[in-house]
Amino acid sequence: KAGVTQTPRYLIKTRGQQVTLSCSPISGHRSVSWYQQTPGQGLQFLFEYFSETQRNKGNFPGRFSGRQFSNSRSEMNVSTLELGDSALYLCASLNPELSTEAFFGQGTRLTVV
Amino acid sequence: AQSVTQLDSHVSVSEGTPVLLRCNYSSSYSPSLFWYVQHPNKGLQLLLKYTSAATLVKGINGFEAEFKKSETSFHLTKPSAHMSDAAEYFCVVSAVGTNAGKSTFGDGTTLTVKP
Repeated sequence: KAGVTQTPRYLIKTRGQQVTLSCSPISGHRSVSWYQQTPGQGLQFLFEYFSETQRNKGNFPGRFSGRQFSNSRSEMNVSTLELGDSALYLCASLNPELSTEAFFGQGTRLTVV
Repeated sequence: AQSVTQLDSHVSVSEGTPVLLRCNYSSSYSPSLFWYVQHPNKGLQLLLKYTSAATLVKGINGFEAEFKKSETSFHLTKPSAHMSDAAEYFCVVSAVGTNAGKSTFGDGTTLTVKP
């Protein structure tokens, strides 16, 4: 079956702009989580969506937001980009009714200049 | 609350020698534990997982890990390193139920394999 798909793979944005990243989970997975990976902070949890509702949230400012659609696809939005938002953004999907194993996408590499 | 500590940020071994990557965890409930590997510019690939069945868990590519509750450890081992094992490894703890989607990652261990 198809894995987790993240688009785009690479993005370059200017400070102050906003960006939207997309994640298509594995078919049947209703939970989608987002993580930010940077060399200094490692992998940090942003938020999780389950059945179109934000179920868990990490410690990120309100500039980071997300949503989930009825087909479980999720988008993450970052507004008023800062240089420090440059990172690899990873999306993970899981089916919590069956397993706690998360399946990760390849990530979106965001560079803010 | 849950947390993960990977005790070594860098490990260097020679090809053909054993690998040991150490991980300690903290969790206020019975956790699920995972090891993931990340090659440069790639996503995360699951190596193995512990979910309260057998304490010795076998994974892909010859890796295995032992869950020791008394020591709150979940160390990753491999008998013989291969050049292709060079990558970054993450120990991860997850809750169950409504918190299953919120994983906590260790800081990672970079494995270098020398020829």
